[in-house]
Amino acid sequence: EVQLVESGGGLVQPGGSLRLSCAASGFTFSSYWMIWVRQAPGKGPEWVGNTNQDGTEKYYVDSVKGRFTISRDNAKNSLYLQMNSLRAEDTGVYYCARDGGFPDYWGQGTLVTVSS
Amino acid sequence: DIVMTQSPDSLAVSLGERASINCKSSQSVLFSSNSKNYFAWYQQKPGQPPKLLIYWASTRESGVPDRFSGSGSGTDFTLTISSLQAEDVAVYYCQQYYSPPHTFGQGTKLEIK
Repeated sequence: EVQLVESGGGLVQPGGSLRLSCAASGFTFSSYWMIWVRQAPGKGPEWVGNTNQDGTEKYYVDSVKGRFTISRDNAKNSLYLQMNSLRAEDTGVYYCARDGGFPDYWGQGTLVTVSS
Repeated sequence: DIVMTQSPDSLAVSLGERASINCKSSQSVLFSSNSKNYFAWYQQKPGQPPKLLIYWASTRESGVPDRFSGSGSGTDFTLTISSLQAEDVAVYYCQQYYSPPHTFGQGTKLEIK
């Protein structure tokens, strides 16, 4: 059974940093692109970015370019999202998802709140 | 970026009746070399992550009831629920995965009339 478990969310002040993790199991992690998607309260999902199987290719939505970095450790079956210079508009639930061309399996998400 | 626009924003349908949700992309998501539409539909219930229903515009994900179907090509797509059940109450989102960022629609809230 595919499982994705996010962690690392919490309350952070504007301008601060946070690192999210996603532990994957139930599939061959190193064979898949992986995605981060976020959802602000009461809003639709927003694709944040993705990375290829070995982490050498990455894409980001414009609003996070230069502030967020996706990385992965295939030996640990883990995906990461380093978030710097956080803003109030970054508040939301952050999901990791397996990229089967499209997000086919999603974690339950971790809540990030950016507020003073 | 490709903009995805859903209609309507909300919809109330009687149990057992047909429900249709539309999604329009600002540019074609049909890849000519393989004739595939890079387009998906998701269902989201409160407190849960989105759940994949349909991909490649019309391929039903394993385990999804056959009352859900997807149609359309290029820029115009439709999700149809042939006979609405109580458990179908949710918000539905479309998404293109033709080019990054893989944008979502704003969502359509489906309720029982």
